[in-house]
Amino acid sequence: DIYMTQFPSSLSASVGDRVTITCRASQSINKFLNWYQQKPGKAPKVLIYAASTLKSGVPSRFSGSGSGTDFTLTISSLQVEDFATYYCQQSSNLITFGQGTRLE
Amino acid sequence: QVHLVESGGGVVQPGRSLRLSCTASGFTVSNDAMHWVRQAPGKGLEWVAVISYDGSQDYYAESMKGRFTISRDTSKNTIFLQVNSLRVDDTAVFYCAKQTVVRGLAYFDSWGQGTLVTVSS
Repeated sequence: DIYMTQFPSSLSASVGDRVTITCRASQSINKFLNWYQQKPGKAPKVLIYAASTLKSGVPSRFSGSGSGTDFTLTISSLQVEDFATYYCQQSSNLITFGQGTRLE
Repeated sequence: QVHLVESGGGVVQPGRSLRLSCTASGFTVSNDAMHWVRQAPGKGLEWVAVISYDGSQDYYAESMKGRFTISRDTSKNTIFLQVNSLRVDDTAVFYCAKQTVVRGLAYFDSWGQGTLVTVSS
C-alpha cells in the first residue's frame, strides 16, 4: 500500500497570505497526485490533477508542484472562499488520501 | 451535465447489512471507473472501493476487504456498495465518485452529495 503523509494538519492564515501544503508519498508515485478542496457539508472538488495541472475553472492562485514522493499545493494569495480542508490523493496504485489540512 | 446521487443510507444496527446506491446521469457508468469514498464525522476522506469501467474488476482498500462489495447495474446506470456486518466505526458519509483519466493519470472529476450511514444500537 502507498501511504500519504500530509502536513500541516491545520494551518492558521489570513486573507492575502501565501500558503503551502505538503504531501509526501511512502514510495514514488511519479506525478499521480491530485489535490482536492472540501468545504463543510460538501463533497470534495478537484483543484489540481497530475501534480501540477490546474483543473479548468479553478482560480490561478492555486498551483501544484512535485513528482516522485514530495508534492506541494500553494495558494498564492489566500481569499475568504479558500478557507476549507485540502486533501492530496495518490492514484498510482489504487487510491489513498492524505489526512487533510484544515485551513483556518 | 454529470450528476451523481447516492441513496440508501440511514440508521442501522451493528451487525446488519446495507446496500448503498449511486445513480448517475449525464454519462454512462460503463465508460468510466467508479469509486466509493467514505468520511467519518469530523474525519478525513477514506477510499473504499473501485469498479472498473467494464465491470470486470473491483478493488478494495485493505481494511474494507471482506465486508464491502462494489457492483453495478448498467441498465440502471447505477453502482452499489454492499456493506455487511456493520460496525459502529462504519458510521460515515459515503460518497460515490467518477474517475476520469488524462494522459494516463486518474482523478475524481465528479462526486455525489453523499449518503450518511449511522451504525448504532
